[in-house]
Amino acid sequence: DTAVSQTPKYLVTQMGNDKSIKCEQNLGHDTMYWYKQDSKKFLKIMFSYNNKELIINETVPNRFSPKSPDKAHLNLHINSLELGDSAVYFCASSFADRVGYGYTFGSGTRLTVV
Amino acid sequence: AQRVTQPEKLLSVFKGAPVELKCNYSYSGSPELFWYVQYSRQRLQLLLRHISRESIKGFTADLNKGETSFHLKKPFAQEEDSAMYYCALYPGNTGKLIFGQGTTLQVKP
Repeated sequence: DTAVSQTPKYLVTQMGNDKSIKCEQNLGHDTMYWYKQDSKKFLKIMFSYNNKELIINETVPNRFSPKSPDKAHLNLHINSLELGDSAVYFCASSFADRVGYGYTFGSGTRLTVV
Repeated sequence: AQRVTQPEKLLSVFKGAPVELKCNYSYSGSPELFWYVQYSRQRLQLLLRHISRESIKGFTADLNKGETSFHLKKPFAQEEDSAMYYCALYPGNTGKLIFGQGTTLQVKP
């Protein structure tokens, strides 16, 4: 019954590999987001999709590519992983016209690049 | 520039003591502000929104437009309040929340 679910919860991989993180929400929201929480716990938006359309693309290396097959899913693919990509990645969702009500977050994916 | 500042990285208090987690924002329009809480290694959860003027788990926050602040307060801290607290700003029509750097609240027995 989890509202926003992410998989996997933990991901340990070597430098240079390609990996994907998946996110699904069952709240009927039309907008989904990816945030990165770095080692200092700073939380920064990476991408946002509204009804499968990319609407926010912050300054993120193009090794990161989001994909939204439908409005309930937003995946994050990362190519050529680097040590600096180690972080916790949070997915979130909301209604586009009600962001003022806040987001609902997933439980996060802890990515460790070795 | 739209920005949220939480000046304290760590706030440590004893159980039963009052708590105030500071948050200042920079935004020229009418802000919508939030507090989120993240318990150890868990998801961020919405604690409260300024538009609701509610009290959740004994916490309150008042928007002070003159001081551009939205400090989070609780009169008597409990050990279970220990967590990371994030203040967030929705600048309106941008589609994104802007988060502060977070403050770790540590409540000692």
